[in-house]
Amino acid sequence: GAVVSQHPSRVICKSGTSVKIECRSLDFQATTMFWYRQFPKQSLMLMATSNEGSKATYEQGVEKDKFLINHASLTLSTLTVTSAHPEDSSFYICSARGVRYEQFFGPGTRLTVL
Amino acid sequence: QKEVEQNSGPLSVPEGAIASLNCTYSDRVSQSFFWYRQYSGKSPELIMSIYSNGDKEDGRFTAQLNKASQYVSLLIRDSQPSDSATYLCAVNRRTGNQFYFGTGTSLTVIP
Repeated sequence: GAVVSQHPSRVICKSGTSVKIECRSLDFQATTMFWYRQFPKQSLMLMATSNEGSKATYEQGVEKDKFLINHASLTLSTLTVTSAHPEDSSFYICSARGVRYEQFFGPGTRLTVL
Repeated sequence: QKEVEQNSGPLSVPEGAIASLNCTYSDRVSQSFFWYRQYSGKSPELIMSIYSNGDKEDGRFTAQLNKASQYVSLLIRDSQPSDSATYLCAVNRRTGNQFYFGTGTSLTVIP
């Protein structure tokens, strides 16, 4: 299957700071990428759909000014958590859509906000 | 009604047995179907995709699709303890390009 990377894999930051997470499709071009959040023992929750060259589409209840998404190229999407707070601590996972509509997931980024 | 429904389990099977995971979906126009495996603390991994009615086999895994019944299943033969994970069913509806995950079935393979 296709390879998707995420960086960093783990980040610890102080409350009020911003954190940027990168998602890259390494061996294919992805016009569409997705950002998910998962709390312990809970289901994946789609946060937003990121389309190359256009604004992201956010799911209901997800603050677009807090979770900034940029999809500047066919291989890179970034998620910036602005003014992070402890309740933003979670496992953030990106995925890239393949040619047959499957999603290939990155390894995830574990964010801890102190 | 949820778009994709799975029994949350937990499902326990002895090592070497066949594990059967089931999934139903609500929208008849769904066209692509996927099974993901997610180990605790890790991201989901695509293990099977199926697009037409019938069976599709890949190693110890067999996906079965029945569009008339809106039902997709995953069989794992000769289950191993390393198969213990949460299995997510996903469905893509090309119209509107909607992609839906089930909540997952937790599988434990007992040595």
